[in-house]
Amino acid sequence: AQSVAQPEDQVNVAEGNPLTVKCTYSVSGNPYLFWYVQYPNRGLQFLLKYITGDNLVKGSYGFEAEFNKSQTSFHLKKPSALVSDSALYFCAVRGNAGNNRKLIWGLGTSLAVNP
Amino acid sequence: NAGVTQTPKFQVLKTGQSMTLQCAQDMNHEYMSWYRQDPGMGLRLIHYSVGAGITDQGEVPNGYNVSRSTTEDFPLRLLSAAPSQTSVYFCASSYSEGGAGANVLTFGAGSRLTVL
Repeated sequence: AQSVAQPEDQVNVAEGNPLTVKCTYSVSGNPYLFWYVQYPNRGLQFLLKYITGDNLVKGSYGFEAEFNKSQTSFHLKKPSALVSDSALYFCAVRGNAGNNRKLIWGLGTSLAVNP
Repeated sequence: NAGVTQTPKFQVLKTGQSMTLQCAQDMNHEYMSWYRQDPGMGLRLIHYSVGAGITDQGEVPNGYNVSRSTTEDFPLRLLSAAPSQTSVYFCASSYSEGGAGANVLTFGAGSRLTVL
């Protein structure tokens, strides 16, 4: 069965330090991978996606994510965290063929960036 | 460009009452969907539509109805509200469901529903 895991409910990081929000997945075939962010009392916003090509994907607000096929991971990263990055982050994965095309969501990771 | 507009933002219902959450998008998106977000449960798909006149069930459809008479609108109806339907509801749309680059969803701001 397809699944997405975000192993950390919460990540705390000091402002200016690098941040990583982890995501691992299980899906047959080549996946489409997404990160979305939800600021307090707002809807989700698209950050970045991996479809094919370069394993390092750059997205909005200085975020990037690295696709690692052997580890089935798609971790979200930012070199220098800002207090304004504090939000809830969701990883999502979708297979690209047949019955695996359903979008599967992780449960979310709450990122707190401390001044 | 308004994107995805949801109304109302807040609603309190009594058990057994019915109501409709409205969702409208102005991006000519074919695909529209409704999610509910509950603490510790992430996002769960309620119903979705791949085009006008076509709807299908997601993973938690019970107690909800939808219709898609136009490309722009995708209302979610609660037939007889129950406390278990207390949640935050999000409408989301995308250009299409399939193909490379698909499923970049645009979300509405959410509707917070409390059922007493």
